[in-house]
Amino acid sequence: DVKVTQSSRYLVKRTGEKVFLECVQDMDHENMFWYRQDPGLGLRLIYFSYDVKMKEKGDIPEGYSVSREKKERFSLILESASTNQTSMYLCASSSKPTGTGRDGYTFGSGTRLTVV
Amino acid sequence: DQQVKQNSPSLSVQEGRISILNCDYTNSMFDYFLWYKKYPAEGPTFLISISSIKDKNEDGRFTVFLNKSAKHLSLHIVPSQPGDSAVYFCAASARIQGAQKLVFGQGTRLTINP
Repeated sequence: DVKVTQSSRYLVKRTGEKVFLECVQDMDHENMFWYRQDPGLGLRLIYFSYDVKMKEKGDIPEGYSVSREKKERFSLILESASTNQTSMYLCASSSKPTGTGRDGYTFGSGTRLTVV
Repeated sequence: DQQVKQNSPSLSVQEGRISILNCDYTNSMFDYFLWYKKYPAEGPTFLISISSIKDKNEDGRFTVFLNKSAKHLSLHIVPSQPGDSAVYFCAASARIQGAQKLVFGQGTRLTINP
C-alpha cells in the first residue's frame, strides 16, 4: 500500500520557535507538495517541488521555507512560528505535476500544529 | 482571489437519496477537475476526475458533470450511504505562474442521515 507519511499527527510549539514538519513518500514520486487546511479556506498551497533540490513557491509561502535533499523526503520549515500559523498541514505527492487521471495526489494524514 | 469556489459549506442528505455537490470556477485555462474526499484526522483521498474536454465521467456511485460554458461542475453520489459523510473538496489544475498546480475549493461537509 503506497504511503505518504507525516512524522507528527499533533504538534504544539511556542511563538518564535523554528518548526520542522517532515514528510516521506515511498512511491518514488517526483512531485511533492505542502498545503495548509483552514476552515472556510480549503487547501492552500504553500510550497511544492518537482525534483530533488528544486522548490517553487505556492500561493502562501510567507513565513515558510522547504527542503528537498532526497527524492522521498520533503520538509516544511516555519522559520519563526506565529499564532496565525496554527493550522492543519498536509503533505502530498504525485507522479505527475497535476495529479490528473486515476492517480490524483496521495496525501499524508496531516499534522495539526498549534502555536501558543 | 478564489479561483475555485464551493459555495455550500455543508449539505445534509437522507440515506439512499442523491447527494449533489457543486463547484464553480473562474479560470478558463483549467484543464482537469478533480474531487477529493476527506475524513476527520485523515488526508484527502482522490475520488474522481474529469478532463475539460468531457462533460461527464462516471465511476460506480459517483458521477462528475462539467458545464464549461457556466464554469460549473458537480459531483453526484447515488445512492448516498452513511460512509459518504465527509468533507468534499473540488480541485482544478492549470498552468499558473509557469507551473502546473492544483487549486482547491473551500470544501463542503456532507452528512448522510439514516
